Order: sequence, then C-alpha cells, then structure tokens
Amino acid sequence: DAGITQSPRHKVTETGTPVTLRCHQTENHRYMYWYRQDPGHGLRLIHYSYGVKDTDKGEVSDGYSVSRSKTEDFLLTLESATSSQTSVYFCAISLFWGEQYFGPGTRLTVT
Amino acid sequence: KQEVTQIPAALSVPEGENLVLNCSFTDSAIYNLQWFRQDPGKGLTSLLLIQSSQREQTSGRLNASLDKSSGRSTLYIAASQPGDSATYLCAVTDSWGKLQFGAGTQVVVTP
Repeated sequence: DAGITQSPRHKVTETGTPVTLRCHQTENHRYMYWYRQDPGHGLRLIHYSYGVKDTDKGEVSDGYSVSRSKTEDFLLTLESATSSQTSVYFCAISLFWGEQYFGPGTRLTVT
Repeated sequence: KQEVTQIPAALSVPEGENLVLNCSFTDSAIYNLQWFRQDPGKGLTSLLLIQSSQREQTSGRLNASLDKSSGRSTLYIAASQPGDSATYLCAVTDSWGKLQFGAGTQVVVTP
C-alpha cells in the first residue's frame, strides 16, 4: 500500500466551526489531491497541489482552502463548516499525471 | 466538460462467471484511464492504469481495454470469486491532469 495516512479518520463537528483535515505521505510524490465522495455525486476533486506552496482549485472548491508547506503534508480546511460539507474526504497522491493512490478516507459529519 | 459513465450501475453474477464492466467518456483527449476497486467503507485501490497510447493492460485475472476514439474502456475479470465483490470505478485523466470519475458499478459475486 502507498504510504498515505489521513487524520482524523472520523470527525463530528458543529455548523460554523473550522475544521482541518490532514493528509500525510511518505512516498515523496509531487502531486497531492483532495476529493469528496457523496452518494449520487461520486468522487469530485476539491483542490490539488503540484508542489510545495503550489495549489489549484478543483470542481467543488467553494468553502474549502488548502495548504502545502512540506512535500509530505497537504491540509484541507473548512473555514466555517456547513451541513452540505458532510461527506467522506479522500486524499490521493501521484508522481505526475500518472497512477493515483488513495488514502483511507476521513468521514466528516457536520451537525 | 468530460463526462464519464459506467453501465450497469449494479451487477450480480454467480461465482466462476467472467465479469465485464463498461466505462465510457465523452472527450477522447485523455491522458490515461484508471480502474479502481472500492470496498464498503474503504478507500480506493488502483487496479490498472492504461496510458492513452495503449490498447490494453493486464494484471492477473484482470484485463482492461481502451478504445480512445470511441470513448470506451472495458474491464474484464476472469473466473469471478466472492472476494471480487466490490464497487469498481473508472476515471480518466483529462488534458489538465485532473481525474474525472464515473459513478461506479457495484458487483456482487454469489457463491
């Protein structure tokens, strides 16, 4: 398995609170991605990074921000969580535009 | 915008039968196509990656074909086993390096 961990694995939070999810890799891959998976919508790209401090928006970036200060860590922040952000969040990595490897996911519930 | 479709949405077969899973995409300008497996409550496991210049890729009982001009890929799983029960997802990497996912095919292999 690719060395990708996500923390926390489960989180319950209240509407309006800030939340940060962490993705950590030990593979030294250049590209890192954040996706969300929802019934009826499948997997959708939120943000991605193509290097330290280099990030770009995906399909569903509104309400989310990201940061990457080290190769191994990619943080996803919900500035003010809403119920519509209840989802399963997956991090993925790739060397280039090649094979993507996924982490185990974080289940986030916003009440 | 790239649209990725997987038909059927669900499939049930008896053990030993061959599985045929279909994936179609609307824009043939893809960089590669990847097939994943997802078990309930788990992350995605990469099965096969086909580069846009390739026609097929094989790994053990799995074989994936790609016809870029017609916008189709097929995943064949030979001699299915109950352990093959899972959701199978295909995803195409577009010309911007981003993955677009299909909704998946849920497979049940009955003993």
